[in-house]
Amino acid sequence: GENVEQHPSTLSVQEGDSAVIKCTYSDSASNYFPWYKQELGKRPQLIIDIRSNVGEKKDQRIAVTLNKTAKHFSLHITETQPEDSAVYFCAARYNFNKFYFGSGTKLNVKP
Amino acid sequence: EAGVAQSPRYKIIEKRQSVAFWCNPISGHATLYWYQQILGQGPKLLIQFQNNGVVDDSQLPKDRFSAERLKGVDSTLKIQPAKLEDSAVYLCASSFDGGVADTQYFGPGTRLTVL
Repeated sequence: GENVEQHPSTLSVQEGDSAVIKCTYSDSASNYFPWYKQELGKRPQLIIDIRSNVGEKKDQRIAVTLNKTAKHFSLHITETQPEDSAVYFCAARYNFNKFYFGSGTKLNVKP
Repeated sequence: EAGVAQSPRYKIIEKRQSVAFWCNPISGHATLYWYQQILGQGPKLLIQFQNNGVVDDSQLPKDRFSAERLKGVDSTLKIQPAKLEDSAVYLCASSFDGGVADTQYFGPGTRLTVL
């Protein structure tokens, strides 16, 4: 069945360093891949997304890359700041706008 | 613009009791989702509505969970009877029309604890 795998489960970086989170999906028909940031006790917030007809998308310090052949996509955060500390979820859209989420990556940015 | 509203924010019940959650999506959003998020995991889709029709409920435990969306606006999710493993945050989300790259907006969630 449909599946989204996310790695790593935890990631600790020094402030100013880059962070990379990777996800793989199983259904080659998936065509939309959003990334969410969830702070403790708060709702998931969309931070960036990418469609299957695009290989890369950037928004200031955040970028997402997509490799359709390998069926994986990655979130890149540059110049990390303490306020980037949160849990990040990837998701993939399947049939009828149904979304499967990864298991999450807890990012800790150390000052 | 008002966001997705959910109530209650917290609920504590004993196993075998019943509970209901309410969601009010963003005005004009046709698609509404209910997710279950167990601690340390990603959200898992329970049911998806398009207006007042069910699009997908394949992961809804129908022996104990039910949901409805009357008039294609507000929605309620009910659990009867609750089990210990139902302890989770229940997230409601909505999107404009469920099309490609349609952004989902999440509500604050209801944290359910089953004792």
